[in-house]
Amino acid sequence: TAGITQAPTSQILAAGRSMTLRCTQDMRHNAMYWYRQDLGLGLRLIHYSNTAGTTGKGEVPDGYSVSRANTDDFPLTLASAVPSQTSVYFCASSLDGAYNEQFFGPGTRLTVL
Amino acid sequence: GQQVMQIPQYQHVQEGEDFTTYCNSSTTLSNIQWYKQRPGGHPVFLIQLVKSGEVKKQKRLTFQFGEAKKNSSLHITATQTTDVGTYFCAGRVLLEANAGKSTFGDGTTLTVKP
Repeated sequence: TAGITQAPTSQILAAGRSMTLRCTQDMRHNAMYWYRQDLGLGLRLIHYSNTAGTTGKGEVPDGYSVSRANTDDFPLTLASAVPSQTSVYFCASSLDGAYNEQFFGPGTRLTVL
Repeated sequence: GQQVMQIPQYQHVQEGEDFTTYCNSSTTLSNIQWYKQRPGGHPVFLIQLVKSGEVKKQKRLTFQFGEAKKNSSLHITATQTTDVGTYFCAGRVLLEANAGKSTFGDGTTLTVKP
C-alpha cells in the first residue's frame, strides 16, 4: 500500500505565483492535516480536516487554503506565494482526529523566490 | 492559543549515556503523542499517552504523562547511534468527540557520539 503520498517532491516558485500541493492517502482515514516545518523548528499546523467536506484553521492559516472534496485527497493551495512561505510542507492523516496516530507523507520542499 | 514547549532544543551525548526530553503544555491535554524524525525524513509515530500519570516503555525508551496532563517526558537509556534524530511531542486537545487539534513542540535534536 502507498499510505500517504505528496507531490511534488520539491518546487521553486516565483513570488506572486499560485501553486497547489497535492496529498493523497489510501488508508481511508477520516482526518487529514497540513503542517509546515521551518529549519530547526517544529511542525506548525496550517489547516486540518476531521472528515470529508469539513476543514478548519490551524495555527498559521494565512495565505493558504484547503479543500476536502473526498476522503482521499487534501490539496493545499497558495494563492499568491511569498518568500516567507519557503518551507517543507508535510501532509498527514489519522483514522480520526482525536486519539489516533498521525501518518506523515514524505514532504514537499518549497522555495519561493 | 495552546502552546507546547519542549526542552532542551539540542542534546549531544556520548554513546551509552542517557537522554531525556521534556514537554510542557500551557493547557490540559486529552492526550500526547511522541514522534521521531530522522535527518531528511518525515516524522514517525512512537507512542501515545492518554491517562494521567501514565508510563509506557518501548525497549530503552520510557514515556511519561504528568498527573495534570500538562507535561510529558521521553527518556532513552544507554543511547545508541541509531537513536539520532529529532524527537517531537504533540499535545492534543479535543474539539469534539472524534476531532481534535495537535500542537507540536519544537523538538529536541539528539546527536550521539560513538
